[in-house]
Amino acid sequence: GAGVSQSPSNKVTEKGKDVELRCDPISGHTALYWYRQRLGQGLEFLIYFQGNSAPDKSGLPSDRFSAERTGESVSTLTIQRTQQEDSAVYLCASSFGTGGNTGELFFGEGSRLTVL
Amino acid sequence: SQQGEEDPQALSIQEGENATMNCSYKTSINNLQWYRQNSGRGLVHLILIRSNEREKHSGRLRVTLDTSKKSSSLLITASRAADTASYFCATGTDKLIFGTGTRLQVFP
Repeated sequence: GAGVSQSPSNKVTEKGKDVELRCDPISGHTALYWYRQRLGQGLEFLIYFQGNSAPDKSGLPSDRFSAERTGESVSTLTIQRTQQEDSAVYLCASSFGTGGNTGELFFGEGSRLTVL
Repeated sequence: SQQGEEDPQALSIQEGENATMNCSYKTSINNLQWYRQNSGRGLVHLILIRSNEREKHSGRLRVTLDTSKKSSSLLITASRAADTASYFCATGTDKLIFGTGTRLQVFP
């Protein structure tokens, strides 16, 4: 597609359930990023991929959060045993990602997660 | 923790006025970027300024960078109601870290 695509756009789940959020980056973009944005807040870095490898997972809030990327394309962010504090918009972005000199990021519209 | 912090947190102006937002960051940078976010949407890249540049223009946008003070400013001239959004600065090498954002409201 022409832009970064995220699905689902909205997800309502019950506390304790697992959720998977998907990101389709722009074709050819080697770098892929996940951010979390709570209501009215800034962006919180979660993880980034260079190709299929994740050099930096430092932003993942707990071991309930994991992410993978395959084929240097689609990425999935998984949250296990969701908690109410996980409620947020999860934003994905991709870029050409020249290492050591991050260029322009292209963002998807986000997946809004609500944990009841 | 956030790499950058924007100031002010919120700004309200009338159409036609100029809007200035400031960003401070903590570590050495290769470049600094500004993004815009309309309510409930993804972020859109506005402008990138490299560490060896002091000023850059793009349409009604003017960005300055002072690496000695670790600060940048974004000026929007002749603002329009459609400029209402949140604006974020971002810096980083392998990963981009965003500031806390400035919420700009432009009244018609």
